[in-house]
Amino acid sequence: DSGVTQTPKHLITATGQRVTLRCSPRSGDLSVYWYQQSLDQGLQFLIQYYNGEERAKGNILERFSAQQFPDLHSELNLSSLELGDSALYFCASSVGGGPDTQYFGPGTRLTVL
Amino acid sequence: AQKVTQAQTEISVVEKEDVTLDCVYETRDTTYYLFWYKQPPSGELVFLIRRNSFDEQNEISGRYSWNFQKSTSSFNFTITASQVVDSAVYFCALSEGASGNTPLVFGKGTRLSVIA
Repeated sequence: DSGVTQTPKHLITATGQRVTLRCSPRSGDLSVYWYQQSLDQGLQFLIQYYNGEERAKGNILERFSAQQFPDLHSELNLSSLELGDSALYFCASSVGGGPDTQYFGPGTRLTVL
Repeated sequence: AQKVTQAQTEISVVEKEDVTLDCVYETRDTTYYLFWYKQPPSGELVFLIRRNSFDEQNEISGRYSWNFQKSTSSFNFTITASQVVDSAVYFCALSEGASGNTPLVFGKGTRLSVIA
């Protein structure tokens, strides 16, 4: 158990819908990262937050957005869902501010029908 | 641009055999961090090791060992006396910069199957 929690574990929805994925980092970690794992693209970085502020952006679609709240939990919002958004979404956390390891949550498997 | 290549897509071995998973990386930074993660069939990503670019010492942890060679930009992972529980997808990843606090760039992964 990495200490990073993600909810829900599974999510099935329809095209055009909007969903919210939630992540709670390990206690004491200030950085949160979101990654998408799909069969064709592999593991890709989406976005990073550090202590409530956006730190880095990767291959995140405009239909996707994220935020990190004062209690450091993070949410990833996916809207106008398409079939191709079906993937495993991981959240990772790290202490932040120095060289450290990213620990991953169990992931949320999103299926868009 | 940073890149991680895991040329072996799938490897199959018989239990108790040794197996080496290859990882080649590209970066322009002189300071960077290399990682290996394991993804078992249950799906989670499990951290195995982190190495910084200034530490080329090989590391051994039980049946696992890692060989870091800057001259060939490689960070290979060997499992000795493999077991069925080692069956998983293994990812090599790279993080650039002195802080090490930057997003990971992953290879495509190597699927290891250990047959009893």
